[in-house]
Amino acid sequence: DTAVSQTPKYLVTQMGNDKSIKCEQNLGHDTMYWYKQDSKKFLKIMFSYNNKELIINETVPNRFSPKSPDKAHLNLHINSLELGDSAVYFCASSLLGGGGYTFGSGTRLTVV
Amino acid sequence: AQKVTQAQTEISVVEKEDVTLDCVYETRDTTYYLFWYKQPPSGELVFLIRRNSFDEQNEISGRYSWNFQKSTSSFNFTITASQVVDSAVYFCALGYTNAGKSTFGDGTTLTVKP
Repeated sequence: DTAVSQTPKYLVTQMGNDKSIKCEQNLGHDTMYWYKQDSKKFLKIMFSYNNKELIINETVPNRFSPKSPDKAHLNLHINSLELGDSAVYFCASSLLGGGGYTFGSGTRLTVV
Repeated sequence: AQKVTQAQTEISVVEKEDVTLDCVYETRDTTYYLFWYKQPPSGELVFLIRRNSFDEQNEISGRYSWNFQKSTSSFNFTITASQVVDSAVYFCALGYTNAGKSTFGDGTTLTVKP
């Protein structure tokens, strides 16, 4: 059983389109995250949710909208995609009290 | 402000050599956590270890060992007798209880040549 499953694995889309990435964890963790990894491999936090509540919202364009219907799911919707949004997006989960992350396999988004 | 510095951008070694990956962190808090993650060429991110700020004991797991020194704000990672399969990007990270995020270093790319 995959602990953190993220879909799709690859996403190629045109500028201006809207797309969503889904994430689910079956570890019983209370906190879920979205991280962005750019072409230089730098990892930056975008959002985190604890028990469905948003707790971290870094400086991310408001074209990015996370949604957590329950503590096992955290989806990311992106409106009006731009070339600069091309990156690998990782979902992760952990226990809030300093637990290590379990990452999904990543979604490689390419905007053309 | 919290910051993690991995000064070594790339390291290349020959198989069976020992290699140490450096990690230096900055924080004003007394309670925090330090982590190492591995990202092999296949792209997934794998959790390796977590230390809390009150536990400075070194840890060994097979060929991997970690040296945590609060006096120098460092949490270094040593691979003994490196193997080709150790080739990956390694990330050090700093996190806090209830902070809702970890701050990652920029990563060190380790290449182990046969």
